[in-house]
Amino acid sequence: LAKTTQPISMDSYEGQEVNITCSHNNIATNDYITWYQQFPSQGPRFIIQGYKTKVTNEVASLFIPADRKSSTLSLPRVSLSDTAVYYCLVDRGDDKIIFGKGTRLHILP
Amino acid sequence: DAGVIQSPRHEVTEMGQEVTLRCKPISGHNSLFWYRQTMMRGLELLIYFNNNVPIDDSGMPEDRFSAKMPNASFSTLKIQPSEPRDSAVYFCASSSWTSGASYNEQFFGPGTRLTVL
Repeated sequence: LAKTTQPISMDSYEGQEVNITCSHNNIATNDYITWYQQFPSQGPRFIIQGYKTKVTNEVASLFIPADRKSSTLSLPRVSLSDTAVYYCLVDRGDDKIIFGKGTRLHILP
Repeated sequence: DAGVIQSPRHEVTEMGQEVTLRCKPISGHNSLFWYRQTMMRGLELLIYFNNNVPIDDSGMPEDRFSAKMPNASFSTLKIQPSEPRDSAVYFCASSSWTSGASYNEQFFGPGTRLTVL
């Protein structure tokens, strides 16, 4: 599985757009990029997944450039409740996925 | 849908005691995962099952840890004997895995916070 690298922590303010970038230089052709979110005292939960270009759902957008060596999770107009750890994963579609340390996002009022 | 159910939610025990953590996956899911999370090591995959069969237990730290899945609706993770360094939050997750599917969303339980004194 390709290794991912993302910032350890980020701070932002309520109402702003937050972009978290993840690098995955060794991503393979069959790999998908998946993001999970973990709130304090809860298990992680899936938020978005993509292969290339742009994916958008009710929670976030995911931007993936043509070379797929990086991806950017975009959270529009964050609120205090978006404070969480965000994990970028490379997912081959088999059972096993590996979680890194994630990015600890802290939203300030 | 009740989601993944774990019990107990909190467990405090003394070093040397046996600890059993329980998990009920989402009905219809065919894969089950046990994770351990600590501040130092993050979220680590311990073992996972597919159709009740252990597929990869390479993350199990040592022989003191064992996991079973006797049927599709129940799994246990046992630590015997427990040690203070086993203190962590243990998560169970399940998924409905299909060969060739593009991705495999895992649904996590609320976790069991284990403290070994």
